[in-house]
Amino acid sequence: NAGVTQTPKFRVLKTGQSMTLLCAQDMNHEYMYWYRQDPGMGLRLIHYSVGEGTTAKGEVPDGYNVSRLKKQNFLLGLESAAPSQTSVYFCASSYSIRGGLLIWDEQYFGPGTRLTVT
Amino acid sequence: GQQVMQIPQYQHVQEGEDFTTYCNSSTTLSNIQWYKQRPGGHPVFLIQLVKSGEVKKQKRLTFQFGEAKKNSSLHITATQTTDVGTYFCAGAETSGSRLTFGEGTQLTVNP
Repeated sequence: NAGVTQTPKFRVLKTGQSMTLLCAQDMNHEYMYWYRQDPGMGLRLIHYSVGEGTTAKGEVPDGYNVSRLKKQNFLLGLESAAPSQTSVYFCASSYSIRGGLLIWDEQYFGPGTRLTVT
Repeated sequence: GQQVMQIPQYQHVQEGEDFTTYCNSSTTLSNIQWYKQRPGGHPVFLIQLVKSGEVKKQKRLTFQFGEAKKNSSLHITATQTTDVGTYFCAGAETSGSRLTFGEGTQLTVNP
């Protein structure tokens, strides 16, 4: 199993440009998350999804959109990038359904995407 | 909303010294998790605590969950250079709800 993968690993954008970050997991997890990590601020939740076709806002959703068309993929979009969105973005997944029961699992993180907006 | 605070933000120790990081929540937690992030890496799950007063050990690491389920600590005995990284706590208000992460404690170990 590859676990959680993210593409791309690095990206430099100019202000106003758009891009999509892709997260994929092969663990059949129900929940997926997008976090941003800035120095001294820990991990802040941007958006999350509790299942295919569903999304919800986290702590810092402004300027981002997400979609979960397939259970294994969670996309994070920046429609008009701003320098304040310079950060490291982590995707994570958790919660499995086994034997019909929702099993509370730890979060598995992807390797991250380092985004710079100039 | 729920807040999870961690102290200290930074800790520098000599190899062999002990290290402790503390996590405090503004609300009662259903459970708490601890993660470690190596420099340049991603957070990796260490452990989950669920019961009031619970203590769990992993080799040199000891994790505690407070009786009121509003605080937790991670203690490392006799630190090694491999312990370098940032340690995060993350709490959930109810079972199955999303986690709120603390700001993390960055540990450096001088050989």
